[in-house]
Amino acid sequence: DIQMTQSPSTLSASVGDRVTITCRASQSLSSWLAWYQQKPGKAPKLLIYKASSLESGVPSRFSGSGSGTEFTLTISSLQPDDFATYYCQQYNSYFTFGPGTKVDI
Amino acid sequence: QVTLRESGPALVKPTQTLTLTCTFSGFSLTTSAMCVSWIRQPPGKALEWLVLIDWDDDKYYSTSLKTRLTISKDTSKNQVVLTMTNMDPVDTATYYCARTTGCMASAGIWGAFDVWGQGTMVTVSS
Repeated sequence: DIQMTQSPSTLSASVGDRVTITCRASQSLSSWLAWYQQKPGKAPKLLIYKASSLESGVPSRFSGSGSGTEFTLTISSLQPDDFATYYCQQYNSYFTFGPGTKVDI
Repeated sequence: QVTLRESGPALVKPTQTLTLTCTFSGFSLTTSAMCVSWIRQPPGKALEWLVLIDWDDDKYYSTSLKTRLTISKDTSKNQVVLTMTNMDPVDTATYYCARTTGCMASAGIWGAFDVWGQGTMVTVSS
């Protein structure tokens, strides 16, 4: 099974900050990686698929990059609505989620 | 508009079998490259994928839970049903169903989860 790690596990930031979250896989994923945002009591929301493709309706301040085993999610200018937990997920072979990164104030 | 909604019991006893239903609209599970998965999330913990069923009725299970899970679909009702046997308190979680498009699992192409249900919380306790 493919294992996923994320860093940091918690990130404290302010509105307007540039935020970067890193996700690493135990084996190459090519570009088969997605990023989700989850707020308390809500279902996850797809932000990025295929490592760098922005899901329709997602603000352009979100971007993804990387390939192989290392990926990043960047929020260019953090907005109040962005305080949430972010998960990476591989879909190269079945599905595995990372442990999550909580972005708080 | 694509929607999915999970339903089932909120409380089950240890050793019982859990049955959850995902009722969806806005797409058909007979359409090529369409898949539906079940995913769960214990309180305060990360997401865990459980099982996927595709438009061709092929099924793919999490290695760790394979012996306890069964998935099926009723295309006339637009429903996907999950059963999980021998429930334990560690199975307490919110259970989600989610859609994948561009899913050709038999060819090793899986896809991201683009639309999710709101989730249903299941507590396992005597």
